[in-house]
Amino acid sequence: AQSVTQLDSQVPVFEEAPVELRCNYSSSVSVYLFWYVQYPNQGLQLLLKYLSGSTLVKGINGFEAEFNKSQTSFHLRKPSVHISDTAEYFCAVSERNSWGKLQFGAGTQVVVTP
Amino acid sequence: EAQVTQNPRYLITVTGKKLTVTCSQNMNHEYMSWYRQDPGLGLRQIYYSMNVEVTDKGDVPEGYKVSRKEKRNFPLILESPSPNQTSLYFCASSLLGAPNEKLFFGSGTQLSVL
Repeated sequence: AQSVTQLDSQVPVFEEAPVELRCNYSSSVSVYLFWYVQYPNQGLQLLLKYLSGSTLVKGINGFEAEFNKSQTSFHLRKPSVHISDTAEYFCAVSERNSWGKLQFGAGTQVVVTP
Repeated sequence: EAQVTQNPRYLITVTGKKLTVTCSQNMNHEYMSWYRQDPGLGLRQIYYSMNVEVTDKGDVPEGYKVSRKEKRNFPLILESPSPNQTSLYFCASSLLGAPNEKLFFGSGTQLSVL
């Protein structure tokens, strides 16, 4: 079975600074990888996904993530954050042979301050 | 408007009193799923359904039941709620067989079991 670990529970960052959120996964088979964002009092929205192909994936709102198979990681980055990026971010993984079963990490709370 | 609708938004109940949280989607999605969100644990999958009359357990199915008699509806049933089921619940849906299609999430149901 797959599992996913988000290495930081909270990341404080200043406005216009870069941010990186770390995600590691484990699985015995090939996986699909996702990053979701949850704004206060809302459901989750998809930021980006890795299915196959290029290991650098670009998503909405200027976010990107890089799939590293050897390190089993899928870190999320943004070169310059805005106050509006304050939210909780979830990494998620599903195995290719049973993609209906989606496993989320514990989440990383990003707090952007002026 | 494409959406996943959960009801109720907030629910306070007592131990042992059966309850149902409804979930409905208007996008003709085959795949639907239930998650619970707890602080520090992220989202954990309870049950999912790949189509009508096809359901399967997620990571934390104990104490929950689901049914999928119609494509648009996927109710979550707690036959005998207990305080450890106090949580924020999310329903989600997507097209089947297409992991490149994003999950659409409902707005959540905050359940408190006293």
